[in-house]
Amino acid sequence: RKEVEQDPGPFNVPEGATVAFNCTYSNSASQSFFWYRQDCRKEPKLLMSVYSSGNEDGRFTAQLNRASQYISLLIRDSKLSDSATYLCVVRLSGGSYIPTFGRGTSLIVHP
Amino acid sequence: EAGVTQFPSHSVIEKGQTVTLRCDPISGHDNLYWYRRVMGKEIKFLLHFVKESKQDESGMPNNRFLAERTGGTYSTLKVQPAELEDSGVYFCASSQDDGINYGYTFGSGTRLTVV
Repeated sequence: RKEVEQDPGPFNVPEGATVAFNCTYSNSASQSFFWYRQDCRKEPKLLMSVYSSGNEDGRFTAQLNRASQYISLLIRDSKLSDSATYLCVVRLSGGSYIPTFGRGTSLIVHP
Repeated sequence: EAGVTQFPSHSVIEKGQTVTLRCDPISGHDNLYWYRRVMGKEIKFLLHFVKESKQDESGMPNNRFLAERTGGTYSTLKVQPAELEDSGVYFCASSQDDGINYGYTFGSGTRLTVV
């Protein structure tokens, strides 16, 4: 089983739609969680950290479910500019600083 | 604030040649990481520096790869001799607190093609 798994998609949604991605992780000692966005042929950019209590940033909401070991990203009122690959990043606790990346979920928002 | 800068942005070399990639982290970021993304695969960790010390180099694929960070500022990643399977995008990232709170800032990457 991969350490971090994501549905690669692509998710094809119309503008204005709500879309959600999940990311599962295998190591229960994982401590920090992030969603990154990567545009084609560009570097990953931090979208948001994921906190235990869940957090929201405008149209984006991130949730953490430790019991089931997954994080989620919800995008409301999708824009054309949201089209990108969304990467889940998980960092272990206890001295290991290695962040582990999922393969990413591709989102395509169409008119 | 200047971001993470990488040089060169692209490099095409022949199998057996040597290539050196450079990364300048954000000023003041002690933590510096190298990653690689091979086409169609996920981004893979290569190694992690804290200042000039290698904290973890478990992701380095073999001894053809050598990373340095003299003085704890910029870092270089040398591939010698390069093989076809070394082709990919090499990202560098830095963080101010080992990433636990603020995540990682990535450079735009070096696209390496070995022919």
